[in-house]
Order: sequence, then structure tokens, then C-alpha cells
Amino acid sequence: QKEVEQDPGPLSVPEGAIVSLNCTYSNSAFQYFMWYRQYSRKGPELLMYTYSSGNKEDGRFTAQVDKSSKYISLFIRDSQPSDSATYLCGLCTSGSARQLTFGSGTQLTVLP
Amino acid sequence: DTEVTQTPKHLVMGMTNKKSLKCEQHMGHRAMYWYKQKAKKPPELMFVYSYEKLSINESVPSRFSPECPNSSLLNLHLHALQPEDSALYLCASSPPVGTSGRGNEQFFGPGTRLTVL
Repeated sequence: QKEVEQDPGPLSVPEGAIVSLNCTYSNSAFQYFMWYRQYSRKGPELLMYTYSSGNKEDGRFTAQVDKSSKYISLFIRDSQPSDSATYLCGLCTSGSARQLTFGSGTQLTVLP
Repeated sequence: DTEVTQTPKHLVMGMTNKKSLKCEQHMGHRAMYWYKQKAKKPPELMFVYSYEKLSINESVPSRFSPECPNSSLLNLHLHALQPEDSALYLCASSPPVGTSGRGNEQFFGPGTRLTVL
């Protein structure tokens, strides 16, 4: 079993839809949670960073963490064609290792 | 300056060549990373530098040699690579660890697309 599971998709939605992207993890030592957006042939862009259970909102993006269920989500409201990209969850344990464990990535296409 | 820069953007090299990849950040970050990413896969960690010292080497072959000359600059020296080393090479950096959990997030550069012939 992988430490971090993420549905690879692909996921296609119409413009304006609410998108839900999810990761589950097995290691309770993960304490820091990130979501990255990666366009084709570009570097990952940090969208959201959180370290506590609950919701964190930034514009059209909401990151949700449920440590008791070991489940994290990224919601995108009013999705746009420019949101079409691969979304990666990244998890990190506490301590100085700074080792980021990525999910496999979900490929999202928002259709105009 | 709020970004990580990488040069070159693209690199094509033969198996006998020696080349270097360069990464730079001026955000005061004290941890820097090299990752390798193959198509449709997540990034794989290669090396971590913390305060200019190599702290993690993920069993990377010796044909990859990292160097951190100062807190803003990270190099990856390449020698005698194989075609299977063709990939996107990503550099990242993290701010100093602080209160409230800051310091674990990583900011990535645009990458260098490497092709080994």
C-alpha cells in the first residue's frame, strides 16, 4: 500500500463546476499538507499549505484536512478552463527531514 | 524576488558530456532540493541541502553530483548520463522553519528539461 493514494483521473468537468480532488494517507506522522498545480511541462505551483484539521480558503480554492480519517481534499469553485492541469497533493512529516511525499497526481480538464 | 529560477530551460547532451544545471533563489530560504520528474509521474526527491549542507541523498547514482556554493545557489553536475536519465529536473526551496508550522512548504522552479542521447 502506498503511503499516499490519489485518484489519477483523468477528470473532466464543464466550466463553472465545483471540482473535488482527494488524497488519503496511511501514515499518521504526516502533519503538513500541500496542494500543487502543475501545467504540462512546467514546475509544480504551490496552491495551498495547511497543517491543521479543518478548512482553509483562498479565493476559489478550499483545502480541507481531516486528520482523524487521514483524508485531504481540494475544492475548486467556479472552475475555469485555465484550471486544466495536474493537481498533486504533497504531505510532510514533522521534524527536520522536510521530505515531501507526493500523491500520484490527478489530471483535470475543465471544458469550456 | 519571490521565485525560484532554473537554467537552462532545455538541455540536450550525449552520454559522454559533462553539463551542469543551475538553480537560484533570493527569498532567504535555507533549504534547497533537487527532484527528478518523469512524464505522468510525481516528482522524486534526489537531494536536500539544509543551510548549505547536504542532508539527504536518496541513493542517487554518482553520475549526479550536487553542489551548494552559497545559500542562494544550487547546482547539479551531470556526467556520463544514460538515456533513462532524460526527465524534467526540478529545484525547490523552503523558508526557514518557524512558528505555526511554517517552513515545510516547498516552492518549485520551472524545471530543466533534460534529454540524454
